[in-house]
Parts: sequence; C-alpha cells; structure tokens
Amino acid sequence: EVQLVQSGAEVKKPGESLKISCKGSGYSFTSYWIGWVRQMPGKGLEWMGIIYPGDSDTRYSPSFQGQVTISADKSISTAYLQWSSLKASDTAMYYCARRQAVNWFDPWGQGTLVTVSS
Amino acid sequence: QSALTQPASVSGSPGQSITISCTGTSSDVGGYNYVSWYQQHPGKAPKLMIYEVSNRPSGVPDRFSGSKSGNTASLTISGLQAEDEADYYCSSYTSSSTLDVVFGGGTKLTVL
Repeated sequence: EVQLVQSGAEVKKPGESLKISCKGSGYSFTSYWIGWVRQMPGKGLEWMGIIYPGDSDTRYSPSFQGQVTISADKSISTAYLQWSSLKASDTAMYYCARRQAVNWFDPWGQGTLVTVSS
Repeated sequence: QSALTQPASVSGSPGQSITISCTGTSSDVGGYNYVSWYQQHPGKAPKLMIYEVSNRPSGVPDRFSGSKSGNTASLTISGLQAEDEADYYCSSYTSSSTLDVVFGGGTKLTVL
C-alpha cells in the first residue's frame, strides 16, 4: 500500500525552529514529486512547494519562498518542511502529498498540526 | 500566485445534482487538461476525486464527474448523498508561476 506518514503535532514558541517530516512507503520514493500544502485554521489549501527526492529539485510558491525550506533524504524515504524562526502566523495544518503525472496528488499524508504560541 | 475562483458554497438536497465551478485563465485551467478535484471532510486530509479534468481514481463513485469548457472546469455530483457534504477544492497546472500548481479557494457543499 502506498502511504505517506507525517510526524506528530508540534507546539512551539515564536522564534523557534522546526522540521516536520513525511515518510513514504510502498513505492519508489525517488521517482515521484512530493508537495507540501498549508491549511490555516478555517481556511483553504495553499501549495507551498514541491520536491523531487531523486535529485532534490525543489520549487517554491512565491508566497513561501524564503519562508520555509523543503528537503528530502532519499536514503530513508522522507521529505521535510522546516522553519528557522516560527511566527504565530505559521500556525496551521500541513499536509504532504505525492504528485502523480503532471498535476494530481495522491495519496496524502494525515497532516501535521503546528501551533505557534507564546 | 492567484488562486482559481470557486463559489464559496453550494447546496442541494439528497438525490439532486450539483455543480461546482472552478475558473482560471488560459495559463492554467484553460490551457491544459490538468485539472484535479479534492474532497475534504472536517478534520481529514484531502482526497483525490477527479484527475486530468474528468478521470476518476479507483474507488471514487461514478456519481462524481468532471468537465471543462474554456477557462472553467466543473465538478458535478449526481444523486447527492449525506456523506458528500464536505469542502471541495480544484487544482490546476499553471505555467505562470515558479510553482506549477495552484488551488482554488474551495467550496463548501451542504446537503440539505
């Protein structure tokens, strides 16, 4: 079964750093792009960026460029989303998803809730 | 990066049909047959319902169908059921950004 399993919920203070993960299984991790999506409380889905674990080619939405870093460790089939200095406005649910063909994403991870509060 | 335009909400009674629109431009929806649709129930991860405009993944009921005309894609749900009540998002490939994929703002479907 193809699965993406994300790391657990995090509670952080403003200014702290954070790295959340998305582990793929049941398929060739290096052969598919992985996308990251933000969903702020009560709001819609926003694409943040995508990474191709095979060669770490990474593309960011202009809204998120410079705000987060997307990476991958193909040796352990895991993609990452990280912040160097969190803000309260980073409070959201974050999803990873595997990109199929040109533009459809399946499956999705279960989501990681990030709460940033002083 | 502008989101695709969806109605904020639609509603229908059980057994009826509804259609959710997704309007973009010739740089995204209108230029490519790469529109997908996702269903999201509260507290759950999105689920792929339609890909490449009109294709259904295995396991998605044939009550769900997709189409496109010009710069507008549509998701139609026929024979509405209570469990169809959810948020629906369209997504399209786009040639107008460094990130080549964009979402719509989402539509809340209420089954009356």
